Amino acid sequence: QKEVEQNSGPLSVPEGAIASLNCTYSDRGSQSFFWYRQYSGKSPELIMFIYSNGDKEDGRFTAQLNKASQYVSLLIRDSQPSDSATYLCAVIVDSSYKLIFGSGTRLLVRP
Amino acid sequence: DARVTQTPRHKVTEMGQEVTMRCQPILGHNTVFWYRQTMMQGLELLAYFRNRAPLDDSGMPKDRFSAEMPDATLATLKIQPSEPRDSAVYFCASGPDSDTQYFGPGTRLTVL
Repeated sequence: QKEVEQNSGPLSVPEGAIASLNCTYSDRGSQSFFWYRQYSGKSPELIMFIYSNGDKEDGRFTAQLNKASQYVSLLIRDSQPSDSATYLCAVIVDSSYKLIFGSGTRLLVRP
Repeated sequence: DARVTQTPRHKVTEMGQEVTMRCQPILGHNTVFWYRQTMMQGLELLAYFRNRAPLDDSGMPKDRFSAEMPDATLATLKIQPSEPRDSAVYFCASGPDSDTQYFGPGTRLTVL
């Protein structure tokens, strides 16, 4: 079992809809949780991080963390075609700064 | 606009040749990471430095890969000898003394 699991997609949503991206992790001791966005041919770009259970909002993005169920999700409201990218979930499982990445979910926002 | 820089951006080489990739972390960042990304394996951590000291290189094939930080402004990843299976995009990332990391543009390596 991989430490961080994501559905590879593609997840296809119409423009203006809410896109919901999910991620599960296996290590209950995981400390910190991150969402990176990666456009094709580009490098990963940090868009959200969350440490505590609950929701964290930043503009159109909301990260949700449920440590009891070991999942973290990213909601993108009012999806735009420019949001089309691969979204990588990443977790730090110990006191180091080592990120463990999921394989990513490809999001397609249809105009 | 501070950013991580990597050179070269693209490298094509023949099997058996030595490859050196360079990274300049963001000024003031004291953690540096090397990652490799392939379609099959995704993004994998190869090595990790803090204050120039190597803390973890367990993700790196030891017989052919080496990573160093000769000074605070330069990190290097060397492959000798290179093999076709090393073809990938290699990313460097840096961070302040926290868990946020900022990625460079990557080096796309093709080994023929």
